[in-house]
Amino acid sequence: AQTVTQSQPEMSVQEAETVTLSCTYDTSESDYYLFWYKQPPSRQMILVIRQEAYKQQNATENRFSVNFQKAAKSFSLKISDSQLGDAAMYFCAYKSPIGNEKLTFGTGTRLTIIP
Amino acid sequence: NAGVTQTPKFRVLKTGQSMTLLCAQDMNHEYMYWYRQDPGMGLRLIHYSVGEGTTAKGEVPDGYNVSRLKKQNFLLGLESAAPSQTSVYFCASSYSSRELQPQHFGDGTRLSIL
Repeated sequence: AQTVTQSQPEMSVQEAETVTLSCTYDTSESDYYLFWYKQPPSRQMILVIRQEAYKQQNATENRFSVNFQKAAKSFSLKISDSQLGDAAMYFCAYKSPIGNEKLTFGTGTRLTIIP
Repeated sequence: NAGVTQTPKFRVLKTGQSMTLLCAQDMNHEYMYWYRQDPGMGLRLIHYSVGEGTTAKGEVPDGYNVSRLKKQNFLLGLESAAPSQTSVYFCASSYSSRELQPQHFGDGTRLSIL
């Protein structure tokens, strides 16, 4: 079974600075999908960014980008120019290309933005 | 767009009571899921459905039942609530398999069992 590990329970960053959230995973599959979800205090889970394992190029969505290291099984999220609205819990998730399509989540990182 | 709607948003139950959580999606998604979120444990899959009339067990199915009588609805039932089922419950849906299709989540239901 796949596992996802987020080793940073909490992180903080000064507004306008850059922060990187780490995520590692364990799998024996060669193809899979990785996601970062954001959960603000409103509780809704919001998709931030996604990556296909067979694509070498790191995904980017505006101020959010990933550093995908397949050999190291690492999928970190970089947030540039941090804004107050970025404060939330961030969850890394893994999806297998076969089976029931379920997401396996990490335990989350709580990000605080310091004004 | 409504997306994924969960009803109710909050509920308090006594041990042994039963209740049903309703999830409705208006995106014509085939796949639907129920997760629970507990402090320090991320989200864990309870049950899921790959289409109308189908259901299957996830990681933590004990004490829960589900039904998918209509494509747009996915019901989660607690037959005899226990304090260990105090949690925040999330419903999600997605369009297809074997693609980079994200799951769309509802706003969650906070359930407390006394």
